[in-house]
Amino acid sequence: DTAVSQTPKYLVTQMGNDKSIKCEQNLGHDTMYWYKQDSKKFLKIMFSYNNKELIINETVPNRFSPKSPDKAHLNLHINSLELGDSAVYFCASSPPGTGDEQYFGPGTRLTVT
Amino acid sequence: QKEVEQNSGPLSVPEGAIASLNCTYSDRGSQSFFWYRQYSGKSPELIMFIYSNGDKEDGRFTAQLNKASQYVSLLIRDSQPSDSATYLCAVNSGGYQKVTFGTGTKLQVIP
Repeated sequence: DTAVSQTPKYLVTQMGNDKSIKCEQNLGHDTMYWYKQDSKKFLKIMFSYNNKELIINETVPNRFSPKSPDKAHLNLHINSLELGDSAVYFCASSPPGTGDEQYFGPGTRLTVT
Repeated sequence: QKEVEQNSGPLSVPEGAIASLNCTYSDRGSQSFFWYRQYSGKSPELIMFIYSNGDKEDGRFTAQLNKASQYVSLLIRDSQPSDSATYLCAVNSGGYQKVTFGTGTKLQVIP
């Protein structure tokens, strides 16, 4: 009964490749997010979608493109991967009207070599 | 730039003691405040949230909010070794469901 799931859990790839990370939530939440946590453990928001609509788009290179086919799914596609993209990427979701409580997926550890 | 600041620690407390974790934020308009616990190699887990000035208790955890001084704290009573983790403070600082996280305080509970 995983609430927020992500695939894959680990991703090792070479510079210049394109990769995708998938996220699904079965909590019935309206809002989903992508966060990046770097080696210093700083958790930074990248994108937020509400009911499939992009709400937050932080200063993220346009090599990163989120897609939300429905409100239960939010995928992240990354083009032309760079060494600095290595991090743990977390998907999260939150219910409406609750003041932003967020529920995180298990994370995807991306290593770019 | 809206900021949330925490002492990175580590904060070491003996088992059974009270652990006190503090967080300050820069945006006076912030409305919602959260504490997340993150074990090493795991994802953040929401443990407390508070919206109003004062204290909010849940089991061994107490969140304290002082909007005038722009700080929020988390007290953990009867600390256990299983409480050893990084605690992230988070603040709604930007409007529509945008939460800013602090860098976290690492807590070590010594048996």
